[in-house]
Amino acid sequence: GDSVTQMEGPVTLSEEAFLTINCTYTATGYPSLFWYVQYPGEGLQLLLKATKADDKGSNKGFEATYRKETTSFHLEKGSVQVSDSAVYFCALSPNTGGFKTIFGAGTRLFVKA
Amino acid sequence: DAGVTQSPTHLIKTRGQQVTLRCSPKSGHDTVSWYQQALGQGPQFIFQYYEEEERQRGNFPDRFSGHQFPNYSSELNVNALLLGDSALYLCASSLVVAGGEQYFGPGTRLTVT
Repeated sequence: GDSVTQMEGPVTLSEEAFLTINCTYTATGYPSLFWYVQYPGEGLQLLLKATKADDKGSNKGFEATYRKETTSFHLEKGSVQVSDSAVYFCALSPNTGGFKTIFGAGTRLFVKA
Repeated sequence: DAGVTQSPTHLIKTRGQQVTLRCSPKSGHDTVSWYQQALGQGPQFIFQYYEEEERQRGNFPDRFSGHQFPNYSSELNVNALLLGDSALYLCASSLVVAGGEQYFGPGTRLTVT
């Protein structure tokens, strides 16, 4: 079945460091891909999305490119801030009708000042 | 414009009891999905409602049931509660277009003792 695998955390970085969180997926066809962020005590917020191969999603300095050949959707940011500390979830929607989102286990990011 | 709202925020129940959680979708959205998020895990899809009918269901037992009302709001019911049902229950709303993003509520924290 469809699934999402993302790198285990926690990831601890210093402010202004470069961030990469790896995400790979298994799905038939061409799913839509998402990154969601969950700040402490809050629900999930959509961070960015890509709906077809080679699309790049971007928001708030974060980027991820839909790579069909490697079935990946890695999240990157050039310079992280303390306020980026949160849990990041990679997710896919199979695009087979209806709308079901399959999430990875999440990666916790800590950014130190 | 109010986003997705959920009630109650927290709930404590005893094994064997029944619980009802409520969700109001974002204005203009017609589809509601429910997810269970265990501590330290990604959300797991329970089911989705559209036009007052369950149109997709994840791998959850029949103890989990739901309802969608004409105003698109929704309820999640869980019968015969088990300790393992303790989790954060998230409601997400969207438009019935495959590939569209979902908007999540803050969740209801259910503790079963």
